[in-house]
Amino acid sequence: AQTVTQSQPEMSVQEAETVTLSCTYDTSESDYYLFWYKQPPSRQMILVIRQEAYKQQNATENRFSVNFQKAAKSFSLKISDSQLGDAAMYFCAYRSARRETSGSRLTFGEGTQLTVNP
Amino acid sequence: DVKVTQSSRYLVKRTGEKVFLECVQDMDHENMFWYRQDPGLGLRLIYFSYDVKMKEKGDIPEGYSVSREKKERFSLILESASTNQTSMYLCASSLVVGLKDADTQYFGPGTRLTVL
Repeated sequence: AQTVTQSQPEMSVQEAETVTLSCTYDTSESDYYLFWYKQPPSRQMILVIRQEAYKQQNATENRFSVNFQKAAKSFSLKISDSQLGDAAMYFCAYRSARRETSGSRLTFGEGTQLTVNP
Repeated sequence: DVKVTQSSRYLVKRTGEKVFLECVQDMDHENMFWYRQDPGLGLRLIYFSYDVKMKEKGDIPEGYSVSREKKERFSLILESASTNQTSMYLCASSLVVGLKDADTQYFGPGTRLTVL
């Protein structure tokens, strides 16, 4: 079974600074997807960024980028130029690339609560 | 935009009561999921459904059942609520595996359930 670990329960960053959230995972599969989801206070969880394991290039979405290290099974999220609206709980998640029905399920990490200080 | 709605934001029930949590999505998604979210544990999958009347157990199905009679609606049932089921419950939906954007799960706002 796959596991996802986020070792930082809480992080804080000054507005306009850069912060990196860590995530490690364990799997015996070679093809899979990794995600970062954001859950703002009292608001719905949304997808921030996704990475396909077969792609060596790290995904980027505006101020959000990942550092995907497949051999190390590491998938960190970097937020540049942090804004007050980035304050949220961030979850790392894994999905198998299997095409059967169970391949659609996500395995989540414990979450990292990010505080952005003005 | 995909919209996933849940019947209640907050719910308070008594031990032993039968509890129904409802989830509706408006994007014709095949897959629907129920998670519970607890501090320090992240999201854990309770059940998911990949088609009408089809379901699979997740990681923590004990004490729960589900129903999917229509494609857009997925219900979570606590047959006899217990205090250890006090939690935040999140519903999500996604397209079937293999389709573009099938990776993205769209979440509802959550139901905070308290069992006294």
